Amino acid sequence: DTEVTQTPKHLVMGMTNKKSLKCEQHMGHRAMYWYKQKAKKPPELMFVYSYEKLSINESVPSRFSPECPNSSLLNLHLHALQPEDSALYLCASSPIWGAGGELFFGEGSRLTVL
Amino acid sequence: SQELEQSPQSLIVQEGKNLTINCTSSKTLYGLYWYKQKYGEGLIFLMMLQKGGEEKSHEKITAKLDEKKQQSSLHITASQPSHAGIYLCGADAGGSQGNLIFGKGTKLSVKP
Repeated sequence: DTEVTQTPKHLVMGMTNKKSLKCEQHMGHRAMYWYKQKAKKPPELMFVYSYEKLSINESVPSRFSPECPNSSLLNLHLHALQPEDSALYLCASSPIWGAGGELFFGEGSRLTVL
Repeated sequence: SQELEQSPQSLIVQEGKNLTINCTSSKTLYGLYWYKQKYGEGLIFLMMLQKGGEEKSHEKITAKLDEKKQQSSLHITASQPSHAGIYLCGADAGGSQGNLIFGKGTKLSVKP
């Protein structure tokens, strides 16, 4: 099993809603990542979790709240988002953080904030 | 901070033609990754290069990292419609392995 699964694939929410994006991998990877990708732009790193602990927060606004409940799951909780937060949110994983090597990406969750 | 410059930004080729995409880094590359992305989808890993002068091939795609480790090229031989997509080069940001930064991508279209 070499997949990173993200749900939902599409999400439309209002600025007052609370929603969550989910990411799951069963490859035994201990590093998981959230990237944000705006249209026609490259992915930008948001958060890195290593062994279920937050290792990097790239100055992301607090309306995005990550959570890593166990080594297989990564959530991104969304609250009071702005229309400019509309983007493709990509989850990725790697065996460990800091050793280089490829990242395994999910298909992404496309978020639209109205 | 490290930046990756990709060229060209977009490319349209006739099926069967060869093409090259370049990626230039503002700093020495400790790990250079090539990914392919179809619109609105996730990134598919193609190849990773780490050593100066390294060259890797997979099917009709060849990637090279120059000796100075600041430039990489991706070459596709006899392009096919299935090669169409956005090609992104990525690098371990500032030598910190595990935090990938990406170039802006090269959009490839292959005309049948």
